[in-house]
Amino acid sequence: GESVGLHLPTLSVQEGDNSIINCAYSNSASDYFIWYKQESGKGPQFIIDIRSNMDKRQGQRVTVLLNKTVKHLSLQIAATQPGDSAVYFCAENNNNNDMRFGAGTRLTVKP
Amino acid sequence: DGGITQSPKYLFRKEGQNVTLSCEQNLNHDAMYWYRQDPGQGLRLIYYSQIVNDFQKGDIAEGYSVSREKKESFPLTVTSAQKNPTAFYLCASRTTGGVGELFFGEGSRLTVL
Repeated sequence: GESVGLHLPTLSVQEGDNSIINCAYSNSASDYFIWYKQESGKGPQFIIDIRSNMDKRQGQRVTVLLNKTVKHLSLQIAATQPGDSAVYFCAENNNNNDMRFGAGTRLTVKP
Repeated sequence: DGGITQSPKYLFRKEGQNVTLSCEQNLNHDAMYWYRQDPGQGLRLIYYSQIVNDFQKGDIAEGYSVSREKKESFPLTVTSAQKNPTAFYLCASRTTGGVGELFFGEGSRLTVL
């Protein structure tokens, strides 16, 4: 089975609101995590990453939070825009250096 | 421009036929990966390779084969032993060391008729 999963398969937000996408992982030895965005029919694109020795990292309009105690990862998108509509995946780097992905959350931004 | 290229983008195959999907990168990455994605699903790891002439099975390797004769190339063969091969296949690469994003190709959509 997959070691990385998501709490919600779909999320719908109003344009301008903040979005929070959650992810649970099971491998406590995972040392590196990435969030990807995938638009329909395309390959995933990197959004932001975080190492296991950090609990927060910020990018442009995005923030990733890592809670190792409960093995939880979240992606926060500020001022969500229509162009943010996509499927978002979290991925974890296992100790074999293989990247494992969760099922994804589809984010829909309503105008 | 540096990047990762998959071909063909669309492929149709009859049952019982083998098909090979191409993946080429000019990013000088050591590690390459193949994932399968079914509609509304996440990415499942088929095979990965961290160095030339070496590769490891992922979670769903049965019915697939790979080779890594060159650093730049990591072709995936979908064999007739794969019972449900219709899917979207994604190739990715990255530097070794366990840290660093995966760079993805645009994918190959395989349909078995």
